[in-house]
Amino acid sequence: DTEVTQTPKHLVMGMTNKKSLKCEQHMGHRAMYWYKQKAKKPPELMFVYSYEKLSINESVPSRFSPECPNSSLLNLHLHALQPEDSALYLCASSQHANLGDRGVYGYTFGSGTRLTVV
Amino acid sequence: GIQVEQSPPDLILQEGANSTLRCNFSDSVNNLQWFHQNPWGQLINLFYIPSGTKQNGRLSATTVATERYSLLYISSSQTTDSGVYFCAVGYKLIFGSGTRLLVRP
Repeated sequence: DTEVTQTPKHLVMGMTNKKSLKCEQHMGHRAMYWYKQKAKKPPELMFVYSYEKLSINESVPSRFSPECPNSSLLNLHLHALQPEDSALYLCASSQHANLGDRGVYGYTFGSGTRLTVV
Repeated sequence: GIQVEQSPPDLILQEGANSTLRCNFSDSVNNLQWFHQNPWGQLINLFYIPSGTKQNGRLSATTVATERYSLLYISSSQTTDSGVYFCAVGYKLIFGSGTRLLVRP
């Protein structure tokens, strides 16, 4: 079992649907992340929430929107997705992060949500 | 941005063999981590190693920050070591393209 819990594990949705992916951690980490991973590719960062501040990968389309209700929860809202958005979506948290490039360690990943858009 | 390159891209080993995986990065970083992704997609953090050497059982890692590379050593490999090994740098975790390892019984 992982200390970062993602639900659901699998999701099939149509292009007109609205769905949400959920991520929860109880390790007291102050930074949480969403990554997207296509088959046979490395994960790519989509969003970072660190100390209640959002950092966005500018290449991520607006049909993905993150929400951080509190420091333990991170949701990813999905709307009007395209088939090419089908991928493994990974949530992670870390013990420390700031918006510079210092002092980050202890990443823990969830087991992912495998999303298929039809 | 920082470039991260891993080699070899693919590796096939017989059970019990040793191997060395390499990660080169193009700029100085103060965060480097090694991950193992199993066939079900779970990413496991193996080492946080911005510099120096660490060991955990059959695995060890060395990072030479001044020369911008890191090495992951796997000794006495087992079939459960199969999967993809990634190095990643920076607080935003820029991943290398990975080394796909298959350990045969």
